[in-house]
Amino acid sequence: AQSVTQLDSQVPVFEEAPVELRCNYSSSVSVYLFWYVQYPNQGLQLLLKYLSGSTLVKGINGFEAEFNKSQTSFHLRKPSVHISDTAEYFCAVSDLNNQGGKLIFGQGTELSVKP
Amino acid sequence: DAGVIQSPRHEVTEMGQEVTLRCKPISGHDYLFWYRQTMMRGLELLIYFNNNVPIDDSGMPEDRFSAKMPNASFSTLKIQPSEPRDSAVYFCASRGLTGELFFGEGSRLTVL
Repeated sequence: AQSVTQLDSQVPVFEEAPVELRCNYSSSVSVYLFWYVQYPNQGLQLLLKYLSGSTLVKGINGFEAEFNKSQTSFHLRKPSVHISDTAEYFCAVSDLNNQGGKLIFGQGTELSVKP
Repeated sequence: DAGVIQSPRHEVTEMGQEVTLRCKPISGHDYLFWYRQTMMRGLELLIYFNNNVPIDDSGMPEDRFSAKMPNASFSTLKIQPSEPRDSAVYFCASRGLTGELFFGEGSRLTVL
């Protein structure tokens, strides 16, 4: 069975500082990996995805993530955060063998950007 | 496209009442998912459909919950009877070509 672990439940950071949100997954098969963002009182929006190819994936709003198969990680990074990046971030994994593309989500990381 | 549309956005009801949540997926998407979000348990997959057929309902908490998809453009999630512990935000999502899900804005349910 697949699982996703987001190692930090809350990450406070000052504006313009770099940030890394950590995600580890476990699966016995090849996977697709995703990061979603949720702003207050809204649904989840896709930030970026890894399907295959280059392990460094660039997404919207200046975020990027690196797939590391040996460490089963997919950490999200941004070199300089803004106040508007304050939100909940979810890492998700989907089993390539599962035609349904069922996504399993981590517990979320609350990013709080302070001025 | 208007995206995934859910209604109602907010529902307040009393324990024992029937609740029906509605979802219109993105046109052309053949998978539809229902998730529940709470502070304690995070995002839980309740059930998902492929071409209107339920594929996996193992996440449905109990018999009080049921979901239907009578056609490609409409799905319902019903709770009967509702209980206070059902209070949560319920999300509907439909699946794009590369496995990514597109989420609706959610239905916030409060059961008193």
